[in-house]
Amino acid sequence: QSVLTQPPSVSEAPRQRVTISCSGSSSNIGSNAVSWYQQLPGKAPKLLIYYDDLLPSGVSDRFSGSKSGTSASLAISGLQSEDEADYYCATWDDSLNGWVFGGGTKLTVL
Amino acid sequence: EVQLVESGGGLVQPGGSLRLSCADSGFTFSSYWMSWVRQAPGKGLEWVANIKEDGSEKNYVDSVKGRFTISRDNAKNSLYLQMNSLRVEDTAVYFCAREARYSNSWFYFDYWGQGTLVTVSS
Repeated sequence: QSVLTQPPSVSEAPRQRVTISCSGSSSNIGSNAVSWYQQLPGKAPKLLIYYDDLLPSGVSDRFSGSKSGTSASLAISGLQSEDEADYYCATWDDSLNGWVFGGGTKLTVL
Repeated sequence: EVQLVESGGGLVQPGGSLRLSCADSGFTFSSYWMSWVRQAPGKGLEWVANIKEDGSEKNYVDSVKGRFTISRDNAKNSLYLQMNSLRVEDTAVYFCAREARYSNSWFYFDYWGQGTLVTVSS
């Protein structure tokens, strides 16, 4: 059971928009910045979003992040087949004194 | 170009030991916190441990405390994970990751290695 809760899977048609939620608590999301990672099959994770809603250089602006209270969300617009991957949220937990990840969400582009 | 290259994985029996290494290049290694993150087969990401720039501070996930030790050698631009008393449930791909800092306070993982597989089995 992960400290951060994500839906196990989401699916949507090409060119549509999908959101992935990440729910936590006051000791993690509520007090620290959230980052998001994309992991393609057999590959290392790749940074998508940092500090809740900032886009690293080189990441498509089809990806966006937001946070409110103890929950965060990743949105992907204009879905493409190459977006099929696992997506993870992460943040620091002040109570555990360590990083925590969401359980991951598998995105399927129909 | 930033590069993180893990090595040292392999097959080990329960109760055995293994030392992972992460050779880093393309950046000032001594200026960054570094982490180990693992992923069991078919499972999600789990943070294992991290270490401060100068090695003076270390944090561990509860499940590895007392068994794993993270260390670094800034002169060799290398990160290590000494794993003792290994258990079947430690079987995973182990990634090293660099912790970047935003606005001096907020961290995130900006670069990851390709991972090294550790299999604990009799």
